[in-house]
Amino acid sequence: EPEVTQTPSHQVTQMGQEVILRCVPISNHLYFYWYRQILGQKVEFLVSFYNNEISEKSEIFDDQFSVERPDGSNFTLKIRSTKLEDSAMYFCASSHPTREVNTEAFFGQGTRLTVV
Amino acid sequence: GQNIDQPTEMTATEGAIVQINCTYQTSGFNGLFWYQQHAGEAPTFLSYNVLDGLEEKGRFSSFLSRSKGYSYLLLKELQMKDSASYLCAVERAAGNKLTFGGGTRVLVKP
Repeated sequence: EPEVTQTPSHQVTQMGQEVILRCVPISNHLYFYWYRQILGQKVEFLVSFYNNEISEKSEIFDDQFSVERPDGSNFTLKIRSTKLEDSAMYFCASSHPTREVNTEAFFGQGTRLTVV
Repeated sequence: GQNIDQPTEMTATEGAIVQINCTYQTSGFNGLFWYQQHAGEAPTFLSYNVLDGLEEKGRFSSFLSRSKGYSYLLLKELQMKDSASYLCAVERAAGNKLTFGGGTRVLVKP
């Protein structure tokens, strides 16, 4: 069964450093997303990506964050100058093999980011 | 704005039935999803409702009333492995983001 894969599974970084979280969405999906979940809190939307550009972003997704699809398979989230409050589980998701069909979003296993 | 409410926690006995309610107020609506999330793991898809009514999928069923902004997830014949958080999420438009509720943690006791 196709799945969304994320690397690394855990990342510990010093405050102020840059991190790149990597995702390989399901290959025939058109929409890609990043969500985050701070420990004990709800899943929050960060950004969605369609047709090689950001289609929507939340107020959390400020200039500190950026996304890229550098090739045909990877989808990355870059966090610059990390802060303690960026510590969370970051989930990548993908959906929609076609625009016309409503489907669920498939989530990767997440990257647990700890900023120290 | 968007507001999605669900109870924080529920406890039930193995073999029993539990109903998890979700109410929502959103600026648009394309569908409502239920996901299961075990601690420290990714959300996994359970069900999807677009139209009013009941969708049944094995031991899990989900109901939607769009006019009332209300959904529930019904878990039957509870098993210990069903102990998890259950997340209600609304999609405003196809391909759009999911807005999640806070999740309902279900504890299944022997």
